[in-house]
Amino acid sequence: EAGVAQSPRYKIIEKRQSVAFWCNPISGHATLYWYQQILGQGPKLLIQFQNNGVVDDSQLPKDRFSAERLKGVDSTLKIQPAKLEDSAVYLCASSVSGTDNTGELFFGEGSRLTVL
Amino acid sequence: AQSVAQPEDQVNVAEGNPLTVKCTYSVSGNPYLFWYVQYPNRGLQFLLKYITGDNLVKGSYGFEAEFNKSQTSFHLKKPSALVSDSALYFCAVRDNTGRRALTFGSGTRLQVQP
Repeated sequence: EAGVAQSPRYKIIEKRQSVAFWCNPISGHATLYWYQQILGQGPKLLIQFQNNGVVDDSQLPKDRFSAERLKGVDSTLKIQPAKLEDSAVYLCASSVSGTDNTGELFFGEGSRLTVL
Repeated sequence: AQSVAQPEDQVNVAEGNPLTVKCTYSVSGNPYLFWYVQYPNRGLQFLLKYITGDNLVKGSYGFEAEFNKSQTSFHLKKPSALVSDSALYFCAVRDNTGRRALTFGSGTRLQVQP
């Protein structure tokens, strides 16, 4: 079974530039998550999708971050304009279902962003 | 709100000795608890989970965890550590509605010395 795919693995940009990350979850997984992991910290949820609807985006900095999952499958996370403090690894995860979900999350290998 | 505390930034143990990585949690209602491991430049890998039932949960690579409701703890354990167990370990919690995403602790680096 193919795992969660993410690209690019690494990205270096100047502050105020924009960047986009792509995620393809495990086939059949209805729920998709984007987490931000700053060096030395645990992952922090940015946004949770159930199919193509947003379940939780309360911690997403909406003035600069946006995410979409238009067809309920793959997803894109965008940052525009980037700040130095956005340097982090962006982890995508998926799970079978968000309703009465006892299952674990499956993570991709992450996209490491460096903002100079 | 749900939260996780991992009080130790790093745990050092000699190969062959037992290891414990501590985790306490706060959540409304009954918790769903998870442990993940992260190797350098890799994503998080699932180790084990507690949903209900037996308080001692067994998982991958010989790891186990003990759920203690009165102490709101979910410590990760292994009877005999291997050098290859050296990695970053994260405890995570969600409430039992199942609808919320996992909340992670800050992580504990496990260093197993030969």
